[in-house]
Amino acid sequence: SQKIEQNSEALNIQEGKTATLTCNYTNYSPAYLQWYRQDPGRGPVFLLLIRENEKEKRKERLKVTFDTTLKQSLFHITASQPADSATYLCAPAPRAGNNRKLIWGLGTSLAVNP
Amino acid sequence: DAGITQSPRHKVTETGTPVTLRCHQTENHRYMYWYRQDPGHGLRLIHYSYGVKDTDKGEVSDGYSVSRSKTEDFLLTLESATSSQTSVYFCATARGESYNEQFFGPGTRLTVL
Repeated sequence: SQKIEQNSEALNIQEGKTATLTCNYTNYSPAYLQWYRQDPGRGPVFLLLIRENEKEKRKERLKVTFDTTLKQSLFHITASQPADSATYLCAPAPRAGNNRKLIWGLGTSLAVNP
Repeated sequence: DAGITQSPRHKVTETGTPVTLRCHQTENHRYMYWYRQDPGHGLRLIHYSYGVKDTDKGEVSDGYSVSRSKTEDFLLTLESATSSQTSVYFCATARGESYNEQFFGPGTRLTVL
């Protein structure tokens, strides 16, 4: 069955450092992959999308890579700030024809310490 | 903010009672989804809709039904609530373009006693 794995342990880093979060998938060939941020008590918020033919995508301090050979996506936050503390979810998406359903990872909790 | 509201935001009910959760969107998005989120399980799809009166089951649909009579409203009904349905329920929408960014509502915390 399709499986999405994200770092199960919380990630604690110092302010100003780069946070790197991992998303691995198995038995799956997603056409693209999305990353979301979720704060406690709130719904997820879309951050970035990367297509299968893109190796890297950037948005301000965020960078996502997508390695279809390794079946892995890495999510980087550079110059991290305490406000970046949240849970980050990855969601690979199937190819067209599946009513746009996403499969969700459990998320990785990030804490940025001042 | 994609203009998604959920009601009620909090509800406590008793086992065996029917419960209806409402999701309302103002963006005219084609796709709508109901998820539940539980510790250790992440977001799991209950039901989704790809148009008015067009719905289908997700991975955890047993005990739930949905209806979509208008583009803007997607109702989730727990036919006879059980304690295992205690959860946080999120509604989400998507435009339905090639790459499907989803917009989430604020969630409903449901407790079944």
